[in-house]
Amino acid sequence: AQTVTQSQPEMSVQEAETVTLSCTYDTSESDYYLFWYKQPPSRQMILVIRQEAYKQQNATENRFSVNFQKAAKSFSLKISDSQLGDAAMYFCAYRSSFNAGGTSYGKLTFGQGTILTVHP
Amino acid sequence: DSGVTQTPKHLITATGQRVTLRCSPRSGDLSVYWYQQSLDQGLQFLIQYYNGEERAKGNILERFSAQQFPDLHSELNLSSLELGDSALYFCASSVETLGPSDGGGELFFGEGSRLTVL
Repeated sequence: AQTVTQSQPEMSVQEAETVTLSCTYDTSESDYYLFWYKQPPSRQMILVIRQEAYKQQNATENRFSVNFQKAAKSFSLKISDSQLGDAAMYFCAYRSSFNAGGTSYGKLTFGQGTILTVHP
Repeated sequence: DSGVTQTPKHLITATGQRVTLRCSPRSGDLSVYWYQQSLDQGLQFLIQYYNGEERAKGNILERFSAQQFPDLHSELNLSSLELGDSALYFCASSVETLGPSDGGGELFFGEGSRLTVL
């Protein structure tokens, strides 16, 4: 079974600065997806960024970028120019390309989350 | 707005009772997933349905059950409720067309149903 580990329960950053959230995962699969989801105080789960394992290029979405190290099974999220609205719980998640039946995706497995505080 | 609708948004009930949570997936999504998030915890996978059939099961208690109907909406039934069942229950849906145009496997989450058991 796949596991996802976020070793930083809490992180803080000054507004306009850069912060990196860490995530490692364990899998024997070669094809999968990785995600970062954001959960603000409203508790809504919002996709921040995704990475396909077969793509070597790191994904980027505006101020958000990832450092995907497939061999090391590491998937960190970098937030540049942090804003007050970035304050939230961030979850790293893993998804197999196929489930046991081979006809649809596997479930999404989440890490325990990192609470990000942004100081003005 | 993710396009996934969950009802009710909030529910307060007593121990021993039974509740049903409802989820309408995004139009066209065949897969529905249920997750449980207890206070300050990560999301725990409960169960997945794909086009009406159970596809995967996680750490779902025997007191809990789910189904997906022909119109693809899903219901999660929680019975003999205990205090520890108090949590936020999320439903998510996704496209399951595998391939380059598969949308990257993203799950779209509803706003959750907050269950409080007293």
